[in-house]
Amino acid sequence: EVQLLESGGDLVQPGGSLRLSCAASGFTFSSYAMIWVRQAPGKGLEWVSAISNSGGSTYYADSVKGRFTISRDNSKNTVYLQMNSLRAEDTAVYYCAVNWNGDYWGQGTLVTVSS
Amino acid sequence: DVVMTQSPLSLPVTLGQPASISCRSSQSLVYSDGNTYLNWFQQRPGQSPRRLIYKVSNRDSGVPDRFSGSGSGTDFTLKISRVEAEDVGVYYCMQGTHGPPHTFGQGTKLEIK
Repeated sequence: EVQLLESGGDLVQPGGSLRLSCAASGFTFSSYAMIWVRQAPGKGLEWVSAISNSGGSTYYADSVKGRFTISRDNSKNTVYLQMNSLRAEDTAVYYCAVNWNGDYWGQGTLVTVSS
Repeated sequence: DVVMTQSPLSLPVTLGQPASISCRSSQSLVYSDGNTYLNWFQQRPGQSPRRLIYKVSNRDSGVPDRFSGSGSGTDFTLKISRVEAEDVGVYYCMQGTHGPPHTFGQGTKLEIK
């Protein structure tokens, strides 16, 4: 059974940083790209970032480019999202998902950016 | 970026009746490999999204056969043959052909009339 467990969400002040983690199990992690998608309160889904299976290629939405960094550790079956220079508009539940087309999703972790 | 436009945004349906959601893309979603990477997701209240349909018309494992996807090029449809109470939630289309970044539709909220 595929399982994805996000963690690291918290309340942080504007301009602050957070690192989200997504621990995966139940599939061959190193064979699949991983993506992050977020959902602001009461809003729709927004694609945020993606990383290839090897970690050699990374992609970002324009809204987070230059502030967020995606990475992965295939030895730990974990993908990360380093978020810097956080803004109020980054407040959302952040989901990780398997593969370019979102085959499986985690339960999400809440990031709140507020003073 | 490719813009995905869903309609309607709100869909009241009587139990046992059919439902249909449209998704249109600003560009053709046919990829160079011949596949069309158009996905449909369901998000029930308080839950994370779950993929229902991939590559236009392929149901994911465990998805009831009352859900079906169709379409080509820029016009796609998700149909529910007979709506059940557990189908309440928000439905999103997402294109995986152009990019990344990939893009989602605005979402369609299905409720029971």
